[in-house]
Amino acid sequence: GAGVSQSPSNKVTEKGKDVELRCDPISGHTALYWYRQSLGQGLEFLIYFQGNSAPDKSGLPSDRFSAERTGGSVSTLTIQRTQQEDSAVYLCASSLVSDNSPLHFGNGTRLTVT
Amino acid sequence: KQEVTQIPAALSVPEGENLVLNCSFTDSAIYNLQWFRQDPGKGLTSLLLIQSSQREQTSGRLNASLDKSSGRSTLYIAASQPGDSATYLCAVSSRGTSGSRLTFGEGTQLTVNP
Repeated sequence: GAGVSQSPSNKVTEKGKDVELRCDPISGHTALYWYRQSLGQGLEFLIYFQGNSAPDKSGLPSDRFSAERTGGSVSTLTIQRTQQEDSAVYLCASSLVSDNSPLHFGNGTRLTVT
Repeated sequence: KQEVTQIPAALSVPEGENLVLNCSFTDSAIYNLQWFRQDPGKGLTSLLLIQSSQREQTSGRLNASLDKSSGRSTLYIAASQPGDSATYLCAVSSRGTSGSRLTFGEGTQLTVNP
């Protein structure tokens, strides 16, 4: 596609439920990143994929968060047993190669945990 | 640990003014620095990317400079327009981190009044 696509654009879920967020990167982009933007805070790095492997998971806030990438393309971020503090905009970005390439962001998924 | 600071946090100017947004970072070992624009409810749009070996980049009415040794960058917007109203984010890609993992500042919220 022309840009990074994320779905759903909005998700409201009840505390304790699991959610899956999807990211379709730009075709041919080998690097994929997940970031989180909480209200009134800056962007927080979550995880980085190079191809299907995740050499840097250091930003995942707890073991309730996991992510995978298949076929070097689509990525899914899963949050288990959601908590109210998980409410945020989850942004996905991709880049052509891993180093020194500009990142292209999707419009994000706004997650609200009630 | 890389830290990025942006000043001012908010700026309101009349249409037509030239303005400067400031960004500073603590670790000068960077691959590049990117300026992004974020409109409400949207993802990030990359404006300019400056490689660590470069001093500035220009795109239309935008000019970004980089002084790596002092840990500073500025984004200059000429002849501002109401359509420039948005949050502007500065981000650095640091050496020694995975891929193009970016550290973001908290942004400058710009309002250009007609």
